[in-house]
Amino acid sequence: GEDVEQSLFLSVREGDSSVINCTYTDSSSTYLYWYKQEPGAGLQLLTYIFSNMDMKQDQRLTVLLNKKDKHLSLRIADTQTGDSAIYFCAERPNYGGATNKLIFGTGTLLAVQP
Amino acid sequence: DVKVTQSSRYLVKRTGEKVFLECVQDMDHENMFWYRQDPGLGLRLIYFSYDVKMKEKGDIPEGYSVSREKKERFSLILESASTNQTSMYLCASSSPGPPVSGNTIYFGEGSWLTVV
Repeated sequence: GEDVEQSLFLSVREGDSSVINCTYTDSSSTYLYWYKQEPGAGLQLLTYIFSNMDMKQDQRLTVLLNKKDKHLSLRIADTQTGDSAIYFCAERPNYGGATNKLIFGTGTLLAVQP
Repeated sequence: DVKVTQSSRYLVKRTGEKVFLECVQDMDHENMFWYRQDPGLGLRLIYFSYDVKMKEKGDIPEGYSVSREKKERFSLILESASTNQTSMYLCASSSPGPPVSGNTIYFGEGSWLTVV
């Protein structure tokens, strides 16, 4: 089966770095994603990485991909209280075709303490 | 501004009732999705549709059906609601092709359904 796993909860202090980890199972996945869900809202795409890349940086966000271990991480530098949310990783298996069928992880609740 | 609108944010229904969850998108997207979100389980795909009148089962279709009569509207139907269908339901839409910047999956704000 397909399981994308994340730890359920992470607490950090404002100004520290946060690292959210994810393991996925389908080695054929071509794209891997990070989504953010703020309270009472739907999911919003934060960033993504193509499977032939090891790292992608986008302002305060750094995505690291270890294909051998099927491990994906999201680092948020200088974490702010506005970063408090649930973060989902997602994989797009190769069989998904054009329909963008994504497999989502369990979600990590990030709590930022002032 | 792009929009996926779920008509009901909060619903309370009785066991055995037929429930309709409606979703409308204004982006002329071909693909539409229904997910349910439960704590510790993440998002699980119920059904998706890649064109009008076309549908495919996702990972947890049991107890649900869908309808896509018009491109902009995708309805989720619970034929006979049960308490284990109490959940948050998220609708999403996208164009074909990988969801990268400029072609992302857009989510609605969710519908909280409680079945008593």
